[in-house]
Amino acid sequence: QVQLQESGPGLVKPSQTLSLTCSVSGGSISSGAYYWTWFRQPAGKGLEWIGRIYTSGSTYYNPSLNSRVTISLDTSKNQFSLNLYSVTAADTAVYYCAREDDYKGGADFWGQGTLVTVSS
Amino acid sequence: DIQMTQSPSSLSVSVGDRVTITCRASQTINRYLNWYQHKPGKAPKLLIDAASNLQSGVPSRFSGSGSGTDFTLTISSLQPEDFATYYCQQSYSTPRTFGQGTKVEIK
Repeated sequence: QVQLQESGPGLVKPSQTLSLTCSVSGGSISSGAYYWTWFRQPAGKGLEWIGRIYTSGSTYYNPSLNSRVTISLDTSKNQFSLNLYSVTAADTAVYYCAREDDYKGGADFWGQGTLVTVSS
Repeated sequence: DIQMTQSPSSLSVSVGDRVTITCRASQTINRYLNWYQHKPGKAPKLLIDAASNLQSGVPSRFSGSGSGTDFTLTISSLQPEDFATYYCQQSYSTPRTFGQGTKVEIK
């Protein structure tokens, strides 16, 4: 059973970089037809897809984030990471990492989520 | 981006009721439609992918149908553990997009 766990600071200052790591257990992030994906949910709002990285390392990001985001893989640690640059209060949200199945399309395994607050 | 529109935005129902949630895409997405259940403080749970494919371990009272632009999630007899917010998501193209959610509450 694949398990994912987010980690990182819960508080980030405006204009700084939000950095989160997702640790994966129960499977290798460098094998299989899977995307490793980040989502977020601001309080009282719906789910937003941030972007993803394939096992090969190719990435796709949500254009709504205006090139402020990068996602990377660390196969040696079986982790993938999110960097969101120049954050504002609007980036305050619960951030989730997940695995997306390339063939079926759905995100079948998720982390529990981590709240990140942007505030000075 | 493909816009996903769910209705209703909330439902007040009783245990045992039949629940139907609809999702409409702004363009055809064939059957690339997923349904998630989300409870407060928990990770979203994938219930159905490819419009009607029930995930392993998901009770058979959940079912999905539709293709093209119009889709439906049905809960045949609502159980206490089903009170949650439900989201549709298209996986036809990137960026992936979600409906705004349907909150199923106790009457």
